[in-house]
Parts: sequence; C-alpha cells; structure tokens
Amino acid sequence: AAGVIQSPRHLIKEKRETATLKCYPIPRHDTVYWYQQGPGQDPQFLISFYEKMQSDKGSIPDRFSAQQFSDYHSELNMSSLELGDSALYFCASSPDGGTQYFGPGTRLTVL
Amino acid sequence: AQSVTQPDIHITVSEGASLELRCNYSYGATPYLFWYVQSPGQGLQLLLKYFSGDTLVQGIKGFEAEFKRSQSSFNLRKPSVHWSDAAEYFCAVGPTSGGYQKVTFGIGTKLQVIP
Repeated sequence: AAGVIQSPRHLIKEKRETATLKCYPIPRHDTVYWYQQGPGQDPQFLISFYEKMQSDKGSIPDRFSAQQFSDYHSELNMSSLELGDSALYFCASSPDGGTQYFGPGTRLTVL
Repeated sequence: AQSVTQPDIHITVSEGASLELRCNYSYGATPYLFWYVQSPGQGLQLLLKYFSGDTLVQGIKGFEAEFKRSQSSFNLRKPSVHWSDAAEYFCAVGPTSGGYQKVTFGIGTKLQVIP
C-alpha cells in the first residue's frame, strides 16, 4: 500500500540557512500534518492543512512557514535555521481528519 | 487542553513474557486514541486505534489495547513479546469533534526485550 513520502530523508544545513521539506500524502488523503521530534522527545505538532487551507497551528516558529498545494502535497519552509532546529520532521496524512498515517521523516541537522 | 501520560519511560521484559504499557489521557470528552511504534531512526507506525464501540481493540503485530473510560486509560498489551518488538511506543490522543486537528503524543515508553 502507498505510504506518505517525505523528501529529502536527510538534510544538513548551516546556521542561518534555509531548508525546504516536502511531503507527499497517501493518495486521496486531503489533510496533512507536520510534527517536529527532537532527540529523545515525543513528536510536537507544528501545523496542519485540510483542502489547502491551514486547519490547525501548534508551536511553529515564525521562521517556519508551510503550505499545501493543489495536488495535496505540502512543503515546510524553514528560514534562519538555528542549532535547535535539528530534529526529525514528520509529515502525516489523513483521509478524514481522524487517523493520521506518518511518513518516515526527514532528519534535519543544523551545524 | 488534551494531554497524555505514559508513566513508564523504560520497560524491560524477557522474550516470551507478557507486556502492558500504560497510558492515561486527559480530555473533555471521549477522544480518538492511538498507539504508535517507532523503531530507532524510523517513522511512526500505527499499531491500533480506538474511536468508539468495543473497548478492546486489536491491532497489528499481536497487540491489543483496552479503553477504560472510568480510568481515562488506554493500556497496550501483548501476551508474548518477541525480540523484534523492542522499540519506542507512543500513546496519542486526538479530538473527535471536527477533526483535522493535531494529535498529542505522550513522552513514549522505550521497550527493551532481553533473551
């Protein structure tokens, strides 16, 4: 069965650089969620989109922005990267706003 | 605000022994409840979920969980643990009304399986 696709899987950036993470939801899933998981931490919700509109917002820094496109894929844009942004970033998708299916994550390392 | 408590950070069991991972939630109504498993450096895999109906739910890999409203609990169980079950387990709660909103995770329970 098709799963959530995230790219890239690994990303290394310098401080103050920008990064763009991409998420391709499971086909026919119209809702996308972004989470950040720091080392040894539980995943923390960042932001979600339903039908290309923001549906919920969590502890997402102002330096980050995200959007969902017409084909339902989503991108998380991160600017002025800080060391503390190093984490595993998960995307999840849902067909109905209920069960969320997670992708494999993008591991971002900021040096 | 919704919250999830997993009181056990680490649990060690012998292969073949039974397992119970505890989860308590705080929410104004009956939420959606989930258990996810994460192997090191990997994504989150859904083990099982509870939305309504039968309070004992069966999941993949031989896991089950029981929803107890009176105790606000959703404990995960497995009768006989395999070495491949070593991983981190996250209990999560999501809203039932409206949907399209975040899932809140517990801190996770790291399971070690010894031969």
